[in-house]
Amino acid sequence: DGGITQSPKYLFRKEGQNVTLSCEQNLNHDAMYWYRQDPGQGLRLIYYSQIVNDFQKGDIAEGYSVSREKKESFPLTVTSAQKNPTAFYLCASSMLLRGGYEQYFGPGTRLTVT
Amino acid sequence: SQQGEEDPQALSIQEGENATMNCSYKTSINNLQWYRQNSGRGLVHLILIRSNEREKHSGRLRVTLDTSKKSSSLLITASRAADTASYFCATDDTGGFKTIFGAGTRLFVKA
Repeated sequence: DGGITQSPKYLFRKEGQNVTLSCEQNLNHDAMYWYRQDPGQGLRLIYYSQIVNDFQKGDIAEGYSVSREKKESFPLTVTSAQKNPTAFYLCASSMLLRGGYEQYFGPGTRLTVT
Repeated sequence: SQQGEEDPQALSIQEGENATMNCSYKTSINNLQWYRQNSGRGLVHLILIRSNEREKHSGRLRVTLDTSKKSSSLLITASRAADTASYFCATDDTGGFKTIFGAGTRLFVKA
């Protein structure tokens, strides 16, 4: 059963704590992405990666960090430097890092920081 | 800045009616995609149309692309309550390496 998984579905943290969101795919895709979605809004790109051990900042990378040690995995850490971390986080993958390739999305992680 | 912008922001129709959503973008593109998102879920790819195509169909979906007007439309025919979702258009950035999503149209189909 191929797909992309994110865990956990809901995450609660206190302000000042770092938190890591998991994203795993078994689609053998080269490219992976992290997006942030605020209520009633579109998606904003945080980080993306086209290959293992390589990743690039998206439009809103400040306060976030990622790693890509394995092709299947692209975890996102929300650091205490992120001023407004409460949001819905979506991970996606595509065969290649090209605009014309369909992106496959995980179910999302809703992070609440109080 | 956003490449694609959907219109209207929200649309409410009766079951059985057609729903039309529009997307406008600013710079030349190679591809335009439409995605659907049910509340609290990830996005699901619906259809991709390339810049040299004018129209594409998939089941009850019909997508048009007018590159001269830098716009696209998504038509859902004979809508069902289960079509209630947000619909996003997505375009390439100018380098063709990133996909940029619009803010979406929220569709409500009343049974």
